[in-house]
Amino acid sequence: QVQLVASGGGVVQPGRSLRLSCAASGFIFGSYAMHWVRQAPGKGLEWVAIISYDGSNTYYADSVKGRFTISRDTSKNTLSLQMNSLRPADTAVYYCARSRYSTSVFDYWGQGTLVAVSS
Amino acid sequence: DIQLTQSPSFLSASVGDRVTITCRASQGISSYLAWYQQKPGKAPKVLIYAASTLQSGVPSRFSGSGSGTEFSLTISSLQPEDFATYYCQQLYTYPLTFGGGTKVEIK
Repeated sequence: QVQLVASGGGVVQPGRSLRLSCAASGFIFGSYAMHWVRQAPGKGLEWVAIISYDGSNTYYADSVKGRFTISRDTSKNTLSLQMNSLRPADTAVYYCARSRYSTSVFDYWGQGTLVAVSS
Repeated sequence: DIQLTQSPSFLSASVGDRVTITCRASQGISSYLAWYQQKPGKAPKVLIYAASTLQSGVPSRFSGSGSGTEFSLTISSLQPEDFATYYCQQLYTYPLTFGGGTKVEIK
């Protein structure tokens, strides 16, 4: 069955970096676009970034552009999010999700990993 | 960016009620709209995509309609497991955006 398992969250000081991972299984990872979506405590959903099925295209929300980098390793079935220059406003649960195409619905989501940015 | 405005933001209803949530887009998005259900501490789950297509495995009491800028999600007979927060999402253009959410609680 399709599984997405996010990891790498934790408590980090403002200005520091953190790398999130999402391990995919149960489907052909290299055939799907992948996304990161975040949710601040008690708030709604915010789309963060997309990477195309082959890694050739990426796109970011303005709130993270220039600080976050999405990448994928198809040989390891792993999606990553490198987060630099973290701010308190980046505090959220981060979910990975897949979509068949860039305009397709997010049909499977990981369980989420919590990132807390605090001094 | 395309803004999605959901209404109401909070809804109190009883088991068996018919419930409708609306989502208005700031510009036309054709039928590139999805609806998700989220329960506390869990990841969102897709209910409807392409505005009106029921995701496999989702009960038929859920239905979606609309196109352009006005959309709705209807639950024909609210069940205990339906008490959750619902979000719409536009997939028409990047950046992708979500509505603010509608929390459905037990009356």
